[in-house]
Amino acid sequence: NAGVTQTPKFQVLKTGQSMTLQCAQDMNHNSMYWYRQDPGMGLRLIYYSASEGTTDKGEVPNGYNVSRLNKREFSLRLESAAPSQTSVYFCASSPGQGLPSYEQYFGPGTRLTVT
Amino acid sequence: RKEVEQDPGPFNVPEGATVAFNCTYSNSASQSFFWYRQDCRKEPKLLMSVYSSGNEDGRFTAQLNRASQYISLLIRDSKLSDSATYLCVVNDSPNDYKLSFGAGTTVTVRA
Repeated sequence: NAGVTQTPKFQVLKTGQSMTLQCAQDMNHNSMYWYRQDPGMGLRLIYYSASEGTTDKGEVPNGYNVSRLNKREFSLRLESAAPSQTSVYFCASSPGQGLPSYEQYFGPGTRLTVT
Repeated sequence: RKEVEQDPGPFNVPEGATVAFNCTYSNSASQSFFWYRQDCRKEPKLLMSVYSSGNEDGRFTAQLNRASQYISLLIRDSKLSDSATYLCVVNDSPNDYKLSFGAGTTVTVRA
């Protein structure tokens, strides 16, 4: 039982390049989330998927797209990377129904640098 | 105004000491409250939920004050392993599983 896995762990991009961050969970959770974490800012929600087949914007969606490929997988795409997207990206999942609905389980993170 | 605000610290305390810190939230309709722990360069993990009546989990005590819109965390008999950043987390609606995270309070326990 791996929980939430993310790939890659580290990535360096040049401005304008694109990439996809992968996330998968094996806990049969309904809801999945993408956050970014910057110093002094806390975790900010980029996009989330309340259930398979749905996605919604969070607090900071500009410059990102997501795909909920199936119940297990939720990917985040940067179409044209910018230095402002340098950050640590965390994927998380939660049961999304029943109790405890709100506990979120996080992946180990992807450290992205855009030069 | 941030939804969830925390004193960033750091709180530097000796082993065995008690340390306490608060977090304030802006939405009076917020429904659920949590403390998460984040070790350096690691992912956040749930430490404990915060209930209206207050609750304890071993050396950790969490309190909620709805009237003043703040949550507190108290750590008794601090251990070196308690050194971490503690994130205050709030959910605004029972129909919405999104969480709002504070920027964290850093605690360093020294020998």
